Amino acid sequence: AQTVTQSQPEMSVQEAETVTLSCTYDTSENNYYLFWYKQPPSRQMILVIRQEAYKQQNATENRFSVNFQKAAKSFSLKISDSQLGDTAMYFCAFMGVDMRFGAGTRLTVKP
Amino acid sequence: NAGVTQTPKFRILKIGQSMTLQCTQDMNHNYMYWYRQDPGMGLKLIYYSVGAGITDKGEVPNGYNVSRSTTEDFPLRLELAAPSQTSVYFCASSWGSSEQYFGPGTRLTVT
Repeated sequence: AQTVTQSQPEMSVQEAETVTLSCTYDTSENNYYLFWYKQPPSRQMILVIRQEAYKQQNATENRFSVNFQKAAKSFSLKISDSQLGDTAMYFCAFMGVDMRFGAGTRLTVKP
Repeated sequence: NAGVTQTPKFRILKIGQSMTLQCTQDMNHNYMYWYRQDPGMGLKLIYYSVGAGITDKGEVPNGYNVSRSTTEDFPLRLELAAPSQTSVYFCASSWGSSEQYFGPGTRLTVT
């Protein structure tokens, strides 16, 4: 079965600085998708970024980018120029035969 | 588009009662999902459906049932509610393995 591990339960960063959230996963599948979702206190799940495993190029979305290392089964999220509105829980997720989420990292952006 | 809607938003059940959580999407997505999120944890997949008439178990299906008679609706049935089913329940939909769109969640308490 697939597993997704987020080793940082909590992180904090100063506003305007850069932070990287870690995620590793375990799978025997070759074709899959990886996601980072954000969950603010409102509880709504919001997609941050998506990566297809067959693509070597790392995905980027404005201030958000990933470092996808397929051989190492690593999928970290980098947030540049952190903003107060980035404060939230961040979940790494794997979609293959089924869908698995990590336990989450609580990110606090400090003014 | 309303996106993914869930009813009710909150519910308190007594042990042994039954209820149905409703989920509707208006995006004509073929895939639909039910997750539960326990406090401080990530989402766990309960059941999913890749189209009308097709359902499959996820990671934690015990104590739940689903049906998918239409593309739009994917209700989740709890039979004989137990305190271990106290959680926040999210419904989501997607077009294949693309981005999942989440509903606002249902907070269920079983006492």
